[in-house]
Amino acid sequence: AQRVTQPEKLLSVFKGAPVELKCNYSYSGSPELFWYVQYSRQRLQLLLRHISRESIKGFTADLNKGETSFHLKKPFAQEEDSAMYYCALNPGSGNEKLTFGTGTRLTIIP
Amino acid sequence: EPEVTQTPSHQVTQMGQEVILRCVPISNHLYFYWYRQILGQKVEFLVSFYNNEISEKSEIFDDQFSVERPDGSNFTLKIRSTKLEDSAMYFCASSNPGTKAGELFFGEGSRLTVL
Repeated sequence: AQRVTQPEKLLSVFKGAPVELKCNYSYSGSPELFWYVQYSRQRLQLLLRHISRESIKGFTADLNKGETSFHLKKPFAQEEDSAMYYCALNPGSGNEKLTFGTGTRLTIIP
Repeated sequence: EPEVTQTPSHQVTQMGQEVILRCVPISNHLYFYWYRQILGQKVEFLVSFYNNEISEKSEIFDDQFSVERPDGSNFTLKIRSTKLEDSAMYFCASSNPGTKAGELFFGEGSRLTVL
């Protein structure tokens, strides 16, 4: 069975400071990892996925298979980054079933 | 930009009553999902639907739950006899893996309160 762990429920960071949201997973195969974000009063939406190796809104995430981690990072936080962030895992079975972590609420302090 | 829409946004019901939550997925998407989030807990997978049948379901999705795509546009979740523990936010999602694998498009959710 797969599991996604986000150890921090709440994280507050000053504007301009670096941000790191932690995500660890457990799965025996080769999963696909994602970060989803939910801004205030908006729907859950995809932020980025590990296979794209892209930077979205300044955020990046590297899949570390040795540490089974997929931490989300941004070098300089902005106020508009305040949101709920969810790490998610797809076992890659061809079905897009996602297992979510419990989420981290990120607050950027002006 | 096309969006997944859900109705109602909030429903209050008595324990034991039947509830139907409705969703209109994005029109060219092929996979449809229901997830739920109990207050303070994580988003949990309930069921996925493809080619007019359930492709996968979780252990939460017991005989009290059913899904249907009655008319080619709507995708419904029915709870036959609601229990207190069914109180949650229910999210519908759709995807088209042919374009961007792993990207689910979520609706805004339907909040179900069972009294």
